[in-house]
Amino acid sequence: GAGVSQSPSNKVTEKGKDVELRCDPISGHTALYWYRQRLGQGLEFLIYFQGNSAPDKSGLPSDRFSAERTGESVSTLTIQRTQQEDSAVYLCASSLRWGGPGTGELFFGEGSRLTVL
Amino acid sequence: ELKVEQNPLFLSMQEGKNYTIYCNYSTTSDRLYWYRQDPGKSLESLFVLLSNGAVKQEGRLMASLDTKARLSTLHITAAVHDLSATYFCAVASYNNNDMRFGAGTRLTVKP
Repeated sequence: GAGVSQSPSNKVTEKGKDVELRCDPISGHTALYWYRQRLGQGLEFLIYFQGNSAPDKSGLPSDRFSAERTGESVSTLTIQRTQQEDSAVYLCASSLRWGGPGTGELFFGEGSRLTVL
Repeated sequence: ELKVEQNPLFLSMQEGKNYTIYCNYSTTSDRLYWYRQDPGKSLESLFVLLSNGAVKQEGRLMASLDTKARLSTLHITAAVHDLSATYFCAVASYNNNDMRFGAGTRLTVKP
């Protein structure tokens, strides 16, 4: 596709349920990022994938959060046993690898808004 | 750990005035990015600064980078209402794509 695609755009769930968020990056972008943005707040880094290298998981807030990426394609962010404090917009971004043809500039999807009741 | 600090966090300006937003970061980097976010929207790229002394301008916005001071500035000239948005700076770790964002500056331009 032309841009980064995220789904669902909105998700309302009950506390304790698991949710899965999907990100489809721009074709050819080797780097993929997940960020969390709470209402009125900045971007909180969650996880970063670069090609086939081991992902940087240092931003995941707890072991309820996990993410996977198959090669250089789609990524899924899974939140298990959701809590009310997980309510936020989850933003995905992709970029070309720095040092290659790109500048490392991130291209963002529209986000997945998660509401935990 | 790379830390990025922006100030001010909130900025209310009159149309026609000038102001500067500051972005400081904690470790060596030679890549800094500015993004704009409109309410309820995602982020869009404004500027990419890739070397010490880099300066980029687009309309009423000008961004600069001083890697020795670990400082970038976003200067607003003769503000107009359309510039009202939240502005984020982001810094990539040296030799890495790992990207960290500042807390954002919420700019409101009043008539």
